[in-house]
Amino acid sequence: SQTIHQWPATLVQPVGSPLSLECTVEGTSNPNLYWYRQAAGRGLQLLFYSVGIGQISSEVPQNLSASRPQDRQFILSSKKLLLSDSGFYLCARGTGDTEAFFGQGTRLTVV
Amino acid sequence: GQQVMQIPQYQHVQEGEDFTTYCNSSTTLSNIQWYKQRPGGHPVFLIQLVKSGEVKKQKRLTFQFGEAKKNSSLHITATQTTDVGTYFCAGGLTTDSWGKLQFGAGTQVVVTP
Repeated sequence: SQTIHQWPATLVQPVGSPLSLECTVEGTSNPNLYWYRQAAGRGLQLLFYSVGIGQISSEVPQNLSASRPQDRQFILSSKKLLLSDSGFYLCARGTGDTEAFFGQGTRLTVV
Repeated sequence: GQQVMQIPQYQHVQEGEDFTTYCNSSTTLSNIQWYKQRPGGHPVFLIQLVKSGEVKKQKRLTFQFGEAKKNSSLHITATQTTDVGTYFCAGGLTTDSWGKLQFGAGTQVVVTP
């Protein structure tokens, strides 16, 4: 099965605090992985994608970073959160030719 | 910038009516996929179209892929309250060697009973 684990489901963090969201994938090797952010009532904004260990491509310049220390692990981080970082963060796997599977998402509120 | 565009951004529909949402790309797509995201949930795969001019149906949903493989549409007939959510199209660009999936911004559908 194509299972994607994301945690936590909800998170409230103060401005200026660090962030680490983890995503792990089961059932496949060498997946293409994505981090998306979705503001309330809006579309999916692609933040990062990775085609392999240590290979990260950034789509939008910002104070977020991503890492892929293992084949099935994708981490989204920030050293200092901003209010504008609030949103629904989704991890996904898929390629341009195959069905994408999403994790349950993390709803982040920066206060 | 956004390479896959969706219109409309919002769609208010009376229950029982039909509506269509459109997806357009400036670049030829290798395939088009459609997803539905229920309020508070995550996007879930609905269907994939690969062939030029392909049409697929799922009950009240009809999906079409354009002849030039640059546009697609989702038509829903006799809308029900269970159709509420955001519908996303996504596709792979033939010019993208990384095989990255490109999502549209989505059409948020509100159904009035």
